[in-house]
Amino acid sequence: EAGVAQSPRYKIIEKRQSVAFWCNPISGHATLYWYQQILGQGPKLLIQFQNNGVVDDSQLPKDRFSAERLKGVDSTLKIQPAKLEDSAVYLCASSSDPGTSGVQEQFFGPGTRLTVL
Amino acid sequence: GNSVTQMEGPVTLSEEAFLTINCTYTATGYPSLFWYVQYPGEGLQLLLKATKADDKGSNKGFEATYRKETTSFHLEKGSVQVSDSAVYFCALSDIADGLTFGKGTHLIIQP
Repeated sequence: EAGVAQSPRYKIIEKRQSVAFWCNPISGHATLYWYQQILGQGPKLLIQFQNNGVVDDSQLPKDRFSAERLKGVDSTLKIQPAKLEDSAVYLCASSSDPGTSGVQEQFFGPGTRLTVL
Repeated sequence: GNSVTQMEGPVTLSEEAFLTINCTYTATGYPSLFWYVQYPGEGLQLLLKATKADDKGSNKGFEATYRKETTSFHLEKGSVQVSDSAVYFCALSDIADGLTFGKGTHLIIQP
């Protein structure tokens, strides 16, 4: 079974530029998550999708970050304009529906390392 | 809101030593608890989980018990190996929610 795919793996941009990240979840996984992991910290949830609807975007800085999941499969996360403090690894994860068995495991992609200069 | 606190690293041990990484949590509901591991150059992967009080999660010789009375989920291993060197993250989640992670503990095992 193919894992969660992300691209690009690395990106370097100047502040105030825009950038986009792409994620392809595991086939059949209805739930997709984007996390931000700043160096030396644990990942922080930015947004959660259930199919193509947003479940939780309470920690997404909506003045500069946006995300979409068209057709309930692939997702893109965009930053416009980028700030120095956005330098981090952006992780995508997916999981199947919890159903009646409770929490389902989240499978993580390799991440995109963003450096803002 | 939910939060996770885990011991700061790096933690340096000799091979075959006993390992404990402390993790405590704050949650409004009855969350599930997880340990994730990130090996050098690799992505995050689930190590073990527990979904209710007194459950014990185990995998690859690692264990952790969900202690509701002390709001803890400490990670233990009886005899560590060099290959266990990695960053370990404690995390929690309510059903169908995203994960709340601790800051991570860098474990270094010396031969």
